Amino acid sequence: GESVGLHLPTLSVQEGDNSIINCAYSNSASDYFIWYKQESGKGPQFIIDIRSNMDKRQGQRVTVLLNKTVKHLSLQIAATQPGDSAVYFCAETYNNNDMRFGAGTRLTVKP
Amino acid sequence: ETGVTQTPRHLVMGMTNKKSLKCEQHLGHNAMYWYKQSAKKPLELMFVYSLEERVENNSVPSRFSPECPNSSHLFLHLHTLQPEDSALYLCASSRYSRTSNEQFFGPGTRLTVL
Repeated sequence: GESVGLHLPTLSVQEGDNSIINCAYSNSASDYFIWYKQESGKGPQFIIDIRSNMDKRQGQRVTVLLNKTVKHLSLQIAATQPGDSAVYFCAETYNNNDMRFGAGTRLTVKP
Repeated sequence: ETGVTQTPRHLVMGMTNKKSLKCEQHLGHNAMYWYKQSAKKPLELMFVYSLEERVENNSVPSRFSPECPNSSHLFLHLHTLQPEDSALYLCASSRYSRTSNEQFFGPGTRLTVL
């Protein structure tokens, strides 16, 4: 499944499938990006980050891709699990100034 | 547990009440933040404190008054709020560095203004 962030705020995938959550950021000078996960009743939790001198970074079951040409950031979750159900936010910052957050995409994992 | 705690977790208040939200971080960070999170909207930065000094106030109404008595504690004093102020108020902290500004968030205070 694939979403386009602010334009499609919900994404539903089958357990075990891969998920792709997209984010379009606004500032071409932004040099640091973070993906956060927010579960119901909790604050946002750091998942993975990437600096602008990279185009890909991998974590455990998650991969972030950065395309600076089109100002696009994506989060890929491999083998999505029910525990991955949450709202996912991208955030951008330039030169350690204040972070700007997207509105988020709600991921629902169907068993 | 992120190392950032907030109390209370839920608060219901009338428009004439005065209340305070509390945030505490146990991470040794030097910057703290207040955010407002409303339904279907991006996180809105309200205040930033760096080394206990307020460095940003994003045009927040004066009915919200922050206080940072030390690097581990942050308060948000509320007075004569409006129903549209009902939201989740999130506190965050970070260790300011040249290479990253990862913010650690507390669980938030769910505020309802009647």
